[in-house]
Amino acid sequence: DIQMTQSPSSVSASVGDRVTITCRASQGISSWLAWYQQKPGKAPKLLIYAASSLQSGVPSRFSGSGSGTDFTLTISSLQPEDFATYYCQQANSFPHTFGQGTKLEIK
Amino acid sequence: QLQLQESGPGLVKPSETLSLTCTVSGGSISSSSYYWGWIRQPPGKGLEWIGSIYYSGSTYYNPSLKSRVTISVDTSKNQFSLKLSSVTAADTAVYYCARPGGVRAHDAFDIWGQGTMVTVSS
Repeated sequence: DIQMTQSPSSVSASVGDRVTITCRASQGISSWLAWYQQKPGKAPKLLIYAASSLQSGVPSRFSGSGSGTDFTLTISSLQPEDFATYYCQQANSFPHTFGQGTKLEIK
Repeated sequence: QLQLQESGPGLVKPSETLSLTCTVSGGSISSSSYYWGWIRQPPGKGLEWIGSIYYSGSTYYNPSLKSRVTISVDTSKNQFSLKLSSVTAADTAVYYCARPGGVRAHDAFDIWGQGTMVTVSS
């Protein structure tokens, strides 16, 4: 199985800050990586697919990059509604494993 | 638009079989070649991919659960289902069904059900 490791596990930031979350795969996954946002009591919401493609309706302050084993999710200017937990998921091969999550908290 | 809804018992006894159904509305489960999926999330923990089923019936399971999991599709009812046998407290979780945004095995899940909480307890 491909292991996905996110860092940091949690991060504190302020409205307007730029935040970057990293996801590393234990082996190459080409660009088959997705990023999800999850708020308490809600289902995950797809933000980015294929490493860098913005899902329809997602604000442009969210962006993704990377290929192979190293990927990043960047939020260019944090908004109050962005405080949530973020997960990466590889879809290169089954099982489609998730990272452990990164909790983004208000500073 | 397409919507997914999980249903099933909220409480299951240890050693018994957990059975959930995902009902698809706003579209036909057999109209396009999607990989329909199940994902779970234990309380306070992260997401775990359980498995996926291709519209034709081919299945792909998480190796950590493979011996206990069965995913099936019922096109006549526009549903797909999850069965997890020999459950323990470690299987207590919110269970989600989901559909990817495209028809490739590589596509990410863009439509999710609201999730259903299943507790394993005697």
